[in-house]
Amino acid sequence: AQSVAQPEDQVNVAEGNPLTVKCTYSVSGNPYLFWYVQYPNRGLQFLLKYITGDNLVKGSYGFEAEFNKSQTSFHLKKPSALVSDSALYFCAVRDPNTGFQKLVFGTGTRLLVSP
Amino acid sequence: NAGVTQTPKFQVLKTGQSMTLQCAQDMNHEYMSWYRQDPGMGLRLIHYSVGAGITDQGEVPNGYNVSRSTTEDFPLRLLSAAPSQTSVYFCASRQGNDNQPQHFGDGTRLSIL
Repeated sequence: AQSVAQPEDQVNVAEGNPLTVKCTYSVSGNPYLFWYVQYPNRGLQFLLKYITGDNLVKGSYGFEAEFNKSQTSFHLKKPSALVSDSALYFCAVRDPNTGFQKLVFGTGTRLLVSP
Repeated sequence: NAGVTQTPKFQVLKTGQSMTLQCAQDMNHEYMSWYRQDPGMGLRLIHYSVGAGITDQGEVPNGYNVSRSTTEDFPLRLLSAAPSQTSVYFCASRQGNDNQPQHFGDGTRLSIL
């Protein structure tokens, strides 16, 4: 069965500094990987995905993520953090070999960007 | 374009009461799902549907029922509410292609007293 680990409950970064939110996964085949962001009292919003091809994927709001198959990781990055990036971030994996391609979520990482 | 709409946004129930959480999407998506979000546990899949008339259980289905009579609607029923069902519930939909992301509603915050 597939699983996702987000090892940090919270990440603190100063505005203007680069940020990284970590994600590792476990899946039997080639994974489909996703990042979502959740703002207070809102649903999850899609940021970016990796399906195949270039290991560096770019998404919304200047975010990008790097797929590393050997380390089974899909870390979310941004070169320069904004205070408005403060939110809860979820990594998710889908195993395309399963019937429904169930999406499994990590437990989330809270990003706090200080002015 | 409304996307995924959930009602109500908030609800307080007493133990043993029943209720239905509504979910509607206007994107003609085939797949719809219900998740619950609890602190420190991420999102867990309750039930899902791959099309009208087809539903199946996720990882935490006990105490919940679903039906899918139309493509647009996917209601979640709590049969006899328990305090353990206090949570935030999210409905999501997506196209049937494997690599498509989920679109989420804004959630229903449910408290069971």
